[in-house]
Amino acid sequence: NAGVTQTPKFQVLKTGQSMTLQCAQDMNHEYMSWYRQDPGMGLRLIHYSVGAGITDQGEVPNGYNVSRSTTEDFPLRLLSAAPSQTSVYFCASSLDGQLMTQYFGPGTRLLVL
Amino acid sequence: GESVGLHLPTLSVQEGDNSIINCAYSNSASDYFIWYKQESGKGPQFIIDIRSNMDKRQGQRVTVLLNKTVKHLSLQIAATQPGDSAVYFCAEPRPESGYSTLTFGKGTMLLVSP
Repeated sequence: NAGVTQTPKFQVLKTGQSMTLQCAQDMNHEYMSWYRQDPGMGLRLIHYSVGAGITDQGEVPNGYNVSRSTTEDFPLRLLSAAPSQTSVYFCASSLDGQLMTQYFGPGTRLLVL
Repeated sequence: GESVGLHLPTLSVQEGDNSIINCAYSNSASDYFIWYKQESGKGPQFIIDIRSNMDKRQGQRVTVLLNKTVKHLSLQIAATQPGDSAVYFCAEPRPESGYSTLTFGKGTMLLVSP
């Protein structure tokens, strides 16, 4: 049971480039979400999904797209990276939305130049 | 939604001391809170939670106190150990997501010296 996995661990992009941050979980969790964490700050919700085929916006969704084709995967897409998107990105999953069962991945550190 | 915030950005303690990390919230309707621990280079990890029908909840070496009158909660760590060094966040569920996602406070870094 690998839990929540995220790839890559670290990425450098140039302004305007696109990329996809991968998130996968093998716990059969229905609920998945993406957060970003800026230096000295708490995590802020970007997008979330309550099940395959269903996504919704969080607190800071601009500049990011998501899709949920399968229960296991929840990729986060940056269509045109901006320096303001430099951050650490965390994916999380939970069983039935119960926050006590929520697990966070190890994070992807993104630097946009 | 309402924000959850912290009073102190950094707390330095000696090993063996008791640590107290504080958190203020602004929404009097908030009824569930979670404390997370985030070690360097890792994702947040659930420590303990508390519902608004409780004033106190204890775990292993940790206690959370909730004061609804002044909208304040605290995390107490007994006999703090070097392994407790981390950033601690309080968080509350976001109603917009059916309470399945979180709003986090800014965090307090706990530094434990031997």
